[in-house]
Amino acid sequence: NAGVTQTPKFQVLKTGQSMTLQCAQDMNHEYMSWYRQDPGMGLRLIHYSVGAGITDQGEVPNGYNVSRSTTEDFPLRLLSAAPSQTSVYFCASRGGWEVGSRETQYFGPGTRLLVL
Amino acid sequence: EDKVVQSPLSLVVHEGDTVTLNCSYEVTNFRSLLWYKQEKKAPTFLFMLTSSGIEKKSGRLSSILDKKELFSILNITATQTGDSAIYLCAATSGTYKYIFGTGTRLKVLA
Repeated sequence: NAGVTQTPKFQVLKTGQSMTLQCAQDMNHEYMSWYRQDPGMGLRLIHYSVGAGITDQGEVPNGYNVSRSTTEDFPLRLLSAAPSQTSVYFCASRGGWEVGSRETQYFGPGTRLLVL
Repeated sequence: EDKVVQSPLSLVVHEGDTVTLNCSYEVTNFRSLLWYKQEKKAPTFLFMLTSSGIEKKSGRLSSILDKKELFSILNITATQTGDSAIYLCAATSGTYKYIFGTGTRLKVLA
């Protein structure tokens, strides 16, 4: 098991450019999510998905799009990058949400994004 | 609005000291409280708490939840330099959401 993988590890963008942050997991997890982490702000949920074809917004969704065409992959798209999107992005996954299940999330290694 | 507040924001101690980290929460449809340790990269899971008053332990770390007063504490005894990290607390709600606090940055001096 590779767990949760993210690419790239580091990316520099110019304002207005678009890009896709990739996230994949090989644990057959239904639930996947994207967070951004900024100094003094903790982890903030951007978007999440509870299964293929199902996505929903988190706390800070503006400027980001997601899709979930397969169980394994959950890419995050920045349509027109802005300096305010400079952050560290973490993808996470977990199994089902049934009562009594282990509710911990497994995090990927993160993508550090710098928007100039 | 759902929120999780951690205190203190940062803490510097010497090896061998005992520390207590605090986490208070206000979350609709609360399900569980989780603690993570974050060193250089991704957060790693420490504890999940769902019931009040039941202590979870792992080595020198322990944690307990108070659902009446809406808080949790994480204790670390006999601290070591390897305990230096950011400790994150998160509350889960029934709408598939995790609400994280800003974290407590712990530095343990040799």
